[in-house]
Amino acid sequence: DVKVTQSSRYLVKRTGEKVFLECVQDMDHENMFWYRQDPGLGLRLIYFSYDVKMKEKGDIPEGYSVSREKKERFSLILESASTNQTSMYLCASTRWGVQLRGSNQPQHFGDGTRLSIL
Amino acid sequence: AQTVTQSQPEMSVQEAETVTLSCTYDTSESDYYLFWYKQPPSRQMILVIRQEAYKQQNATENRFSVNFQKAAKSFSLKISDSQLGDAAMYFCAYRVNNAGNMLTFGGGTRLMVKP
Repeated sequence: DVKVTQSSRYLVKRTGEKVFLECVQDMDHENMFWYRQDPGLGLRLIYFSYDVKMKEKGDIPEGYSVSREKKERFSLILESASTNQTSMYLCASTRWGVQLRGSNQPQHFGDGTRLSIL
Repeated sequence: AQTVTQSQPEMSVQEAETVTLSCTYDTSESDYYLFWYKQPPSRQMILVIRQEAYKQQNATENRFSVNFQKAAKSFSLKISDSQLGDAAMYFCAYRVNNAGNMLTFGGGTRLMVKP
């Protein structure tokens, strides 16, 4: 089974701090994603990466950056945390190669990090 | 831009009965996938069922089935013989068939199952 591991289940930080959320997957997946989940808004894509050192902005990248130095690890960085970044953060990964018909690989999710910014 | 709408923030069902969760989406693409994910209190997102847009036959997975209406851009989830373990948040998601593999999610429906 695919395992996506997020380093913390709960995290409390202060406004202005630099915050790192770590995600590791063990299935050699090319694609990795960071979402935030808020009530009524579902999951919104912050950033994704399809290869080492490659990154693309998602729907809500403002206030965030990412790092993918190794294939298995995708880090989300809050450069200067603010209270409106209090949320649940979910990491996901999937294999590349959906050009082939029927290649409908689902995304595999971590357990989430509930981040509170005080 | 693609959007996914779940119009029911909360639903409840009696154990052993059937419930249908609705989902509509907006897209100009013709080749895409649709998914239903379940998120129980443990927070782990679990894939429940998937549907390829080019297939006319509705997908079925045990007690879970979908009613896919491509022209209406509707993708509802039917849960038969509801069980207490079905209580969770359910998210509808859409993905264009390209290499990016990005999902667009709806806002979610909280399903409660009454014993």
